[in-house]
Amino acid sequence: DAMVIQNPRYQVTQFGKPVTLSCSQTLNHNVMYWYQQKSSQAPKLLFHYYDKDFNNEADTPDNFQSRRPNTSFCFLDIRSPGLGDAAMYLCATSRDLLAGGHNEQFFGPGTRLTVL
Amino acid sequence: EDQVTQSPEALRLQEGESSSLNCSYTVSGLRGLFWYRQDPGKGPEFLFTLYSAGEEKEKERLKATLTKKESFLHITAPKPEDSATYLCAVLITGGGNKLTFGTGTQLKVEL
Repeated sequence: DAMVIQNPRYQVTQFGKPVTLSCSQTLNHNVMYWYQQKSSQAPKLLFHYYDKDFNNEADTPDNFQSRRPNTSFCFLDIRSPGLGDAAMYLCATSRDLLAGGHNEQFFGPGTRLTVL
Repeated sequence: EDQVTQSPEALRLQEGESSSLNCSYTVSGLRGLFWYRQDPGKGPEFLFTLYSAGEEKEKERLKATLTKKESFLHITAPKPEDSATYLCAVLITGGGNKLTFGTGTQLKVEL
């Protein structure tokens, strides 16, 4: 089945220790997204790629970086995690939503990040 | 400022007790409205997309409707397995591929 895969599902890191979360997709979608979701809150968009074009949200901290080496893979790097970065990180993919039609975002299962 | 508001924040129903969840939006221009279901500890699961006022979509016990100001997710004769958080999100004119999410309605269906 075509899908969005995130690894690891659970990640524990220490305060200030860099961490990388990964996302892969078999849907061949050209848009990939990273969201942060804290308990009982809406997913918050951090950034997204339209093909290789990187789009950063204005309020995304510099501590968060992303890489997309090819269509299938996208990485979220947190350079110096703080306690406030503990959250669920969601990866999603879509075709161009502006094209209309059935271009919904498909989400992966998420990575739960704990910062000690 | 573009806003998406969902109500109620939480809803408890008895099995078989039909109800509706609301998503109201104030946006500069709506290109589409999306409904998702999210189970605890999992990513959101796509349910419906609505593009224009008057449009309706159905799937099993769920029916989504759209007006110029709000969307409703109607749940008919719910079962305990319908318990989840339901999120709505809007795609806004000039917002590129970005979805703006509401904070969700946490639904619990009891036997």
